[in-house]
Amino acid sequence: SQTIHQWPATLVQPVGSPLSLECTVEGTSNPNLYWYRQAAGRGLQLLFYSVGIGQISSEVPQNLSASRPQDRQFILSSKKLLLSDSGFYLCAWKQGAYNEQFFGPGTRLTVL
Amino acid sequence: AQSVTQPDIHITVSEGASLELRCNYSYGATPYLFWYVQSPGQGLQLLLKYFSGDTLVQGIKGFEAEFKRSQSSFNLRKPSVHWSDAAEYFCAVGARDSSYKLIFGSGTRLLVRP
Repeated sequence: SQTIHQWPATLVQPVGSPLSLECTVEGTSNPNLYWYRQAAGRGLQLLFYSVGIGQISSEVPQNLSASRPQDRQFILSSKKLLLSDSGFYLCAWKQGAYNEQFFGPGTRLTVL
Repeated sequence: AQSVTQPDIHITVSEGASLELRCNYSYGATPYLFWYVQSPGQGLQLLLKYFSGDTLVQGIKGFEAEFKRSQSSFNLRKPSVHWSDAAEYFCAVGARDSSYKLIFGSGTRLLVRP
């Protein structure tokens, strides 16, 4: 069966520090991968998606970036964090002809 | 452009009462529709989905939803709510392009009175 992991579970970082969040999927190949952010009390905002290795599409202009160095690995990064980057970051994967996405457990990021 | 509206930010029901969460979508063609549930601090879990066919779809945990094209709605229902159903519920429509991305509503927080 397929599983999705996110690392770390929680993170507290100072403003201006770098960021690297990792998402890995097991039990599937060539999935679409997605990064979402959920600010406190808000809905989900799609940040990036990837349909294959090295292929990244950005949905929202910001100081974040994403990379997909391997088929089942999706990384969210920043060179300098802002206070507004605080939130709950969710990774999701999809495979097949429909949009059914499966979500990871999330990473809680607090920027101080 | 595709969009999803969940008009109720909060809903409170008593345990054992029936539940209906509203969802309206805007989409130019036959949509793919989804309901997800999120417990505090957790990821999202898929409750049910509609792609085509029977407009009444059954999901996990006793939930069902009905697709009504004439009303552009996909409301979520449960006949008897349990305290463990307290969570946030998200409706989503799927983009029918190569991105397969989901457009989410802003969510409805369900509170259950004992």
